[in-house]
Amino acid sequence: DIVMTQSPDSLAVSLGERATINCKSSQSVFISSSNKNYLAWYRQRPGQPPELLIYWASTRESGVPDRFSGSGSGTDFTLTISSLQAEDVAVYYCQQHASGRHTFGQGTKLEIK
Amino acid sequence: EVRLLESGGGLVQPGGSLRLSCAASGFTFTNYALIWVRQAPGKGLECVAVIDVKAYYADSVKGRFTISRDNSKSALYLQMNSLRAEDTAVYYCAKSIGGSGGFYDSWGQGTLVTVSS
Repeated sequence: DIVMTQSPDSLAVSLGERATINCKSSQSVFISSSNKNYLAWYRQRPGQPPELLIYWASTRESGVPDRFSGSGSGTDFTLTISSLQAEDVAVYYCQQHASGRHTFGQGTKLEIK
Repeated sequence: EVRLLESGGGLVQPGGSLRLSCAASGFTFTNYALIWVRQAPGKGLECVAVIDVKAYYADSVKGRFTISRDNSKSALYLQMNSLRAEDTAVYYCAKSIGGSGGFYDSWGQGTLVTVSS
């Protein structure tokens, strides 16, 4: 299985400041036949199911604010929140499906400083 | 509006069985891959099983859990046998974005499974 490792495990950022979360895969999640990275980001607020934020590594899901952006390719990816809002307090997960068995990162807990 | 509603969770003894259901509405059910994801108390997300053209299972449940779908009823199922304490979790069903995208844009609220004597 492809192992997804996120860093840091937790992060505290001031309101209005930038938050950056990293995700590294144990093997490439880029599929050349489709020219895409099979990588997504989710936000899970306390007591709620996950919400899809970004897929194909950098495509923002419909309705997701443009302060969220994704970047990276191959094995290294980044989720950036350009200006942290109170409603962004959550745990963030990356997920791959380059292999049939999908796997998630361990999660990054984002709090307000 | 897409809706996914899980049911069937509860308390079960180790070695027992449960069948989870996920009732779907608001989209053309046959066109999408579906997934069961679980979250143990205070822990992260784990993909348990995916069903598209074929089924995929996490190593931790392979041989014990079976994912299936009934397209005529727009329903997803997870048959769980030989349950262990470590299977205790909230189980979510989710729908893929479609196409070749194994990413999940709609989720249910989850159903809690507790395995304990």
